Amino acid sequence: DGGITQSPKYLFRKEGQNVTLSCEQNLNHDAMYWYRQDPGQGLRLIYYSQIVNDFQKGDIAEGYSVSREKKESFPLTVTSAQKNPTAFYLCASSNRGKRGDQPQHFGDGTRLSIL
Amino acid sequence: SQQGEEDPQALSIQEGENATMNCSYKTSINNLQWYRQNSGRGLVHLILIRSNEREKHSGRLRVTLDTSKKSSSLLITASRAADTASYFCATDANSGYALNFGKGTSLLVTP
Repeated sequence: DGGITQSPKYLFRKEGQNVTLSCEQNLNHDAMYWYRQDPGQGLRLIYYSQIVNDFQKGDIAEGYSVSREKKESFPLTVTSAQKNPTAFYLCASSNRGKRGDQPQHFGDGTRLSIL
Repeated sequence: SQQGEEDPQALSIQEGENATMNCSYKTSINNLQWYRQNSGRGLVHLILIRSNEREKHSGRLRVTLDTSKKSSSLLITASRAADTASYFCATDANSGYALNFGKGTSLLVTP
């Protein structure tokens, strides 16, 4: 079955530590996205990528970094510069389209907490 | 930036009743989408409506769009306990590819 796999499901970060969240898709989608979800805040866009080796900052990119070396993979690194990283992180993918005309497919998220 | 705002924030109904959720947005859009999220899971796409469409159906779901009022509604008919979830609207963002999600409506359907 095609889909998006996020790992790990739960992750704990120590002070001053960088952690990387994995996102892999086998839907042959060009576009991939990372969102952060806090209670009562809805989803906020961190980074998105429309094609391999290219990505753009979203609304809350500070303290995060990404890479897109393969079409299937879009890992997110939460750096020590992100002072409030505790949240539920969601990865999504879609076909490239125009002006929001493509549905996004989501993984089941990674819950990151501070130790 | 979050463009869509869902209303109400929370809704509690009994099985068999209809559930209506509303979404308002601020700037003109090309497309609007609705998603469902079960607790602790990712979002699932429900339906997409284009700016030149006024109504769309999918099974027990009915979505309307009023571009003059910058609002959309999602109606779930004959609700079931399995419909318990959070529902989000999403509109196209200025970037052209990403989506702006609202804060969601939490729906509880009791047997």
